[in-house]
Formats: sequence, C-alpha cells, structure tokens
Amino acid sequence: KNQVEQSPQSLIILEGKNCTLQCNYTVSPFSNLRWYKQDTGRGPVSLTIMTFSENTKSNGRYTATLDADTKQSSLHITASQLSDSASYICVVSAITGGGNKLTFGTGTQLKVEL
Amino acid sequence: ETGVTQTPRHLVMGMTNKKSLKCEQHLGHNAMYWYKQSAKKPLELMFVYSLEERVENNSVPSRFSPECPNSSHLFLHLHTLQPEDSALYLCASSSGTGGRTNEKLFFGSGTQLSVL
Repeated sequence: KNQVEQSPQSLIILEGKNCTLQCNYTVSPFSNLRWYKQDTGRGPVSLTIMTFSENTKSNGRYTATLDADTKQSSLHITASQLSDSASYICVVSAITGGGNKLTFGTGTQLKVEL
Repeated sequence: ETGVTQTPRHLVMGMTNKKSLKCEQHLGHNAMYWYKQSAKKPLELMFVYSLEERVENNSVPSRFSPECPNSSHLFLHLHTLQPEDSALYLCASSSGTGGRTNEKLFFGSGTQLSVL
C-alpha cells in the first residue's frame, strides 16, 4: 500500500532558527515528490516538485532534498520567519496505468515564535 | 491568490439541508478536483474531472454529488450529510490529470463545512 509518513507531527522553533522536516514514503513506481505549504484557513501552495534524478531543489529559504534509494525526503527551512508558521505537506506521485496518483502525508505543523 | 476561488468560505448546515459548494478557476486548466481534508488525516481525493468529464470517483457516498458544467467551474452538491462529513473541502485544478512533474496542483482556500 502506498504511504507517506511525515515527522515530526508538530514543531515549535524560534524566529531566525533553521529546521528540517522529514518525509518517508513507500510509494511506487515513483514519479515525483512535492512539498506544499498550507497556511491556516488556506489551501496548500506548492513549494517544490522533484523527480527521481533530482537530489536537491530550492525555493528561497526552502530547500528540499530527495534520496530515491532510501525513499526519504526532507524540507529544510533557513532563517525561519513568523510567516513560515503553517502545515507542510509531503505528496508523492506514483505512475499508474490510468495516470499518476498522488499520495498525501498528514503534514508537519510548524509554529515559529518570537 | 492562486487563481482558484471557492465559495462559500464557511458553511454550517443541518443533516436535512441541501447546499452546494462552488469552485471557479481562472488558469485555463483542463482538470479540476474535489478533496476532503479532515483534522490529522491526509487529503482525500473525492472527484476528478478532465475536460468536464468525470474520470475518477473514489467511492464517495452518493450524498456528495459533483457537477462540472464547463472547464472553469466545479460544484459539489450536498444533501443529507452526516456530522462526520464536517471537514475542509478543497477544490484544485491542474493542466492535466496525470500528476506528472509539470502538472502542479493549484488549490482554492477551501470551504470549512460543519454539519450539525
């Protein structure tokens, strides 16, 4: 069964600090992995999309890594800001005969405090 | 602003009511989706429409009825819902239905539904 597990479930950090969120998946055959940011009361917004051949992808202060061998990904946030407080969702796309299927993680709830 | 607009933002309804959720996308996409997001659970795909035709229905109860009159508009008609249907309902659109690398999903802000 395709699954995406994220850790930690929640995290509190001080403004200016760095943090790393983890994503482990068992989805196959693998097509791509996505990280989304979801602010409270809003829909998810795409941060990065990575394919099998990409190890690292950055979007401003957000850097995602992918290890397709161990089926792990991480999202590193540098110099956190209050606006980074949100849920971060890992999504993995699998190749199927009827088109790719997305499997969503439950998200990591990040709170950045002063 | 993602280019996907959902109304209403909040909805409270009784179990005997009939209501509809509306979604509109201004991105020229071909595919539109309904997702359900419950607390501490992954997003659940409910329906997928591609070029106004339903291509996927993930065993959703018949009390949820989708409608896609054109490629820019998507509705979710609700009737005789249960309290466990209370959740955030998200609409999304993409250029295709494949989930391939260049097919980013664009989500609306969702409708927070409470069923009493």
